Amino acid sequence: KAGVTQTPRYLIKTRGQQVTLSCSPISGHRSVSWYQQTPGQGLQFLFEYFSETQRNKGNFPGRFSGRQFSNSRSEMNVSTLELGDSALYLCASSLGLPGESSYNEQFFGPGTRLTVL
Amino acid sequence: AQRVTQPEKLLSVFKGAPVELKCNYSYSGSPELFWYVQYSRQRLQLLLRHISRESIKGFTADLNKGETSFHLKKPFAQEEDSAMYYCALSGRGSSGSARQLTFGSGTQLTVLP
Repeated sequence: KAGVTQTPRYLIKTRGQQVTLSCSPISGHRSVSWYQQTPGQGLQFLFEYFSETQRNKGNFPGRFSGRQFSNSRSEMNVSTLELGDSALYLCASSLGLPGESSYNEQFFGPGTRLTVL
Repeated sequence: AQRVTQPEKLLSVFKGAPVELKCNYSYSGSPELFWYVQYSRQRLQLLLRHISRESIKGFTADLNKGETSFHLKKPFAQEEDSAMYYCALSGRGSSGSARQLTFGSGTQLTVLP
């Protein structure tokens, strides 16, 4: 079974631009979560989608948004990029329904490395 | 609010020595705790979870609710154990509706020959 895939793998943008990152979960997985990883802050939860609905959101400004499609693929968008948005953005998918133990076994993608100049 | 603390950013041990990676958490409800591992140039992956009470690659972790800890232990470290280890807690998010994973800052373990 193919793992979680993320595109693009690397991205360079300038301040003020916007960016869209894509994540394809493992086949059959309906939950997709997004994380930001930086050396200073570590792994921080952005948001989580299940069946096209945002179920949870971390403490990030409204410039960070996302969505999930009917095939469970997800995108996240960052508008008006700032230098501090430079990070590795990780997507993770899980199989189970919320409340089931398998819900919390998340399978991570390789990440998208975003550099903001 | 939920918080996970890993006090050691770096930890070095010699091959064959015991290793313990510390993790403390703060959460008012009933948490689920996990250890994730990231080997060099590989994806972040689940190592073990407290509800399974299993040993993976020789590692075990016991949830101590009294001390709010979930330390990861291995009696005899191997060079291939060198990696970044993250402790994570699954608890209700600020919205209250769904659980979210909160990660600690990670501990880079180096096992020396």
